[in-house]
Amino acid sequence: DTAVSQTPKYLVTQMGNDKSIKCEQNLGHDTMYWYKQDSKKFLKIMFSYNNKELIINETVPNRFSPKSPDKAHLNLHINSLELGDSAVYFCASSQESGVTYNEQFFGPGTRLTVL
Amino acid sequence: AQSVTQLDSQVPVFEEAPVELRCNYSSSVSVYLFWYVQYPNQGLQLLLKYLSGSTLVKGINGFEAEFNKSQTSFHLRKPSVHISDTAEYFCAVSEAGGSYIPTFGRGTSLIVHP
Repeated sequence: DTAVSQTPKYLVTQMGNDKSIKCEQNLGHDTMYWYKQDSKKFLKIMFSYNNKELIINETVPNRFSPKSPDKAHLNLHINSLELGDSAVYFCASSQESGVTYNEQFFGPGTRLTVL
Repeated sequence: AQSVTQLDSQVPVFEEAPVELRCNYSSSVSVYLFWYVQYPNQGLQLLLKYLSGSTLVKGINGFEAEFNKSQTSFHLRKPSVHISDTAEYFCAVSEAGGSYIPTFGRGTSLIVHP
């Protein structure tokens, strides 16, 4: 049983295109995240979202936008792709309500290559 | 705001040798601490966590870590490594009672040689 799943696993596209990455979690968690991992393995949080608020890392370009159709899904839309967007993108989820710590469960990642 | 420093970007070690991966954090409040492992071409999975109580925390795959408040450290150890432990290891910190979003270190690549 996959806890956090992402599609697609690989995404190759041209500069200037618009693309989406989908994320679904079946853990019943109320908070989901998107991370970007660069070629040096550095993990940078892009968004945190639950049914109450969206927290955006201010360094993330507004070409990136999260869309949550329901509590179990958080998709990532990227407009006008640039070479520097090439990275591995991870979705994660955690349960925030009623707990005081933040253990995150990660998806397998989507490797985005912009040509 | 919290920060995490993983002092070693790469740690090579021979199979069956002991290993220690270092992690130091900075925070003005109480913290929760985590170690995650990322195997090649996979997502991160939790190895162990410190929330409160005993400072020695045991995790999966024979790993353990010790919380040292005075030295603001949370080093990861394993007494005898296997080839299959080759992976990237991330230390993370989350402030208790504050922002629930963890801050990750830059990762340490553990390379186990036969």
